[in-house]
Amino acid sequence: AQKITQTQPGMFVQEKEAVTLDCTYDTSDPSYGLFWYKQPSSGEMIFLIYQGSYDQQNATEGRYSLNFQKARKSANLVISASQLGDSAMYFCAMREGIRTIFGAGTRLFVKA
Amino acid sequence: NAGVTQTPKFRILKIGQSMTLQCTQDMNHNYMYWYRQDPGMGLKLIYYSVGAGITDKGEVPNGYNVSRSTTEDFPLRLELAAPSQTSVYFCASSPGTGDEKLFFGSGTQLSVL
Repeated sequence: AQKITQTQPGMFVQEKEAVTLDCTYDTSDPSYGLFWYKQPSSGEMIFLIYQGSYDQQNATEGRYSLNFQKARKSANLVISASQLGDSAMYFCAMREGIRTIFGAGTRLFVKA
Repeated sequence: NAGVTQTPKFRILKIGQSMTLQCTQDMNHNYMYWYRQDPGMGLKLIYYSVGAGITDKGEVPNGYNVSRSTTEDFPLRLELAAPSQTSVYFCASSPGTGDEKLFFGSGTQLSVL
């Protein structure tokens, strides 16, 4: 069975500092995709970054990077230079075949 | 482009009532999904579809039904509403061609009282 684990219910970070949000996954399928989505207080789901299981390099999108450690089955999100607007819920997700499942999320608070 | 459109945005049901949550997408995506999000939790997959006429159960299908008669539409039916179905419901779609990022609707907040 697929499983996504986010062990940090809440995180605090000082504005302009970097923060790492943890995600571990479990799958027996060699082909899968890993995603991070942001959900601000307004409720919409915003795609941030994607990493394929066969990708050799870590994915980056602007201030977001995904620290992919395949042997450890981890896919941590790194946000550099945090901004007040980064305060939100962050969900790690895994696609295996057709289905995408989500972790429980981490709520990030950015302090001024 | 409108993307993924869900209606209604808010709804209050009484226990035992039925309703249909509507979802339509204009991106010609093959795959469509229904998720529910309980307060403070992640998204749970209810049902999904890979094309017209083809649907399958997700993680939490009990109490729901779906149909997919066209590529564009993927309605979710609640037959006998229960308080446990109080949640935010998201419809999503993806192309079905590889990098399967999900495109989400804005959600339907449903309360069953």
